[in-house]
Amino acid sequence: GAVVSQHPSWVICKSGTSVKIECRSLDFQATTMFWYRQFPKQSLMLMATSNEGSKATYEQGVEKDKFLINHASLTLSTLTVTSAHPEDSSFYICSAWTSDGTDTQYFGPGTRLTVL
Amino acid sequence: GNSVTQMEGPVTLSEEAFLTINCTYTATGYPSLFWYVQYPGEGLQLLLKATKADDKGSNKGFEATYRKETTSFHLEKGSVQVSDSAVYFCALSRRGQGAQKLVFGQGTRLTINP
Repeated sequence: GAVVSQHPSWVICKSGTSVKIECRSLDFQATTMFWYRQFPKQSLMLMATSNEGSKATYEQGVEKDKFLINHASLTLSTLTVTSAHPEDSSFYICSAWTSDGTDTQYFGPGTRLTVL
Repeated sequence: GNSVTQMEGPVTLSEEAFLTINCTYTATGYPSLFWYVQYPGEGLQLLLKATKADDKGSNKGFEATYRKETTSFHLEKGSVQVSDSAVYFCALSRRGQGAQKLVFGQGTRLTINP
């Protein structure tokens, strides 16, 4: 089946630094990728929608200058958390959607970010 | 706006017990409905889905029926196994051209004891 990978799976960084998370569709081309944030024991919150070759669309309340999203190819999207602070610590999950008629999003395994 | 409400967990059952996880939704129009499962340390996997009223989605012994009159999509399994222990998410998306946003419920943690 369709596989989506994320790298790194976990990262610890100091406050004020930037962190980049990659999301790759391994065996299919993803027209659209989504980025979610999941707090402990809570549901997924959509942060932004990313279409290949165009600017990401951010959900209300998500700072676009803080969470930079790039979708440079049909198999790769990146999320950069700029000037990270402890409150940005969370589980970040991406999903990839392909126009194969199944109307299904395929999810990555997630990246655990801890900001000290 | 669109929203999904799931039965609160955690839910703990013995092996071979009957499982029901309730899910109700609020949406404009006729959304597609999904159940996703998240095993420990893994990403979400699609378990089953239904795209129109009275459709029944099924997979791995799990079933859910799209009930428009009660705006529900309850997940059921007749006999659970230890390997079913995971977090289950109900979700909806608006149907249309292109990728549609998913709206998730809060998730229900299920633990099956041998």
